[in-house]
Amino acid sequence: NAGVTQTPKFRILKIGQSMTLQCTQDMNHNYMYWYRQDPGMGLKLIYYSVGAGITDKGEVPNGYNVSRSTTEDFPLRLELAAPSQTSVYFCASSYGDSLYGYTFGSGTRLTVV
Amino acid sequence: KQEVTQIPAALSVPEGENLVLNCSFTDSAIYNLQWFRQDPGKGLTSLLLIQSSQREQTSGRLNASLDKSSGRSTLYIAASQPGDSATYLCAVPGGATNKLIFGTGTLLAVQP
Repeated sequence: NAGVTQTPKFRILKIGQSMTLQCTQDMNHNYMYWYRQDPGMGLKLIYYSVGAGITDKGEVPNGYNVSRSTTEDFPLRLELAAPSQTSVYFCASSYGDSLYGYTFGSGTRLTVV
Repeated sequence: KQEVTQIPAALSVPEGENLVLNCSFTDSAIYNLQWFRQDPGKGLTSLLLIQSSQREQTSGRLNASLDKSSGRSTLYIAASQPGDSATYLCAVPGGATNKLIFGTGTLLAVQP
């Protein structure tokens, strides 16, 4: 039971570089989410998807892009990394919305220098 | 706008003590409330999910209650152990996206 798998676990980027954070789930969940967690702050929703081909903005989408070509994968793209994007990123999935619990990945710790 | 608050921000207790963590939310029109545990440098592990029609859920030494009308939930940990040391987060669906909104967590340290 892999659940939600995120790669890489750690990454250091230089300002202006780009990268993709990978997220895949094997539970056939329709809903997938990306959150960021900053020290002393709660998790903030970046983007979410309710199914393959459908994505929508969350609370803090600026500077990020996502795609959902398959049910299993939900990559998060940073095009021009900025120090403000230094954070821990979590991917999560759920069977449906609101009535169902979320399953989280182990996170990607990103530092932009 | 839904806001979730957790008090206290940090708590230190001796091993064996029973303890209560608090979570409050401003909009009582929620479908459910979820409690998570986060170990340092790790992801979130779901502990308990309480549906809006339920008043409490139990798992082992953990018991979570939900009072929608007052906008409060409590997580009760019985006979605490050093292995319970972690950050505990509560979350409810809300906001414009109706996705999970998290509190800032309670950092629990159980001293042996």
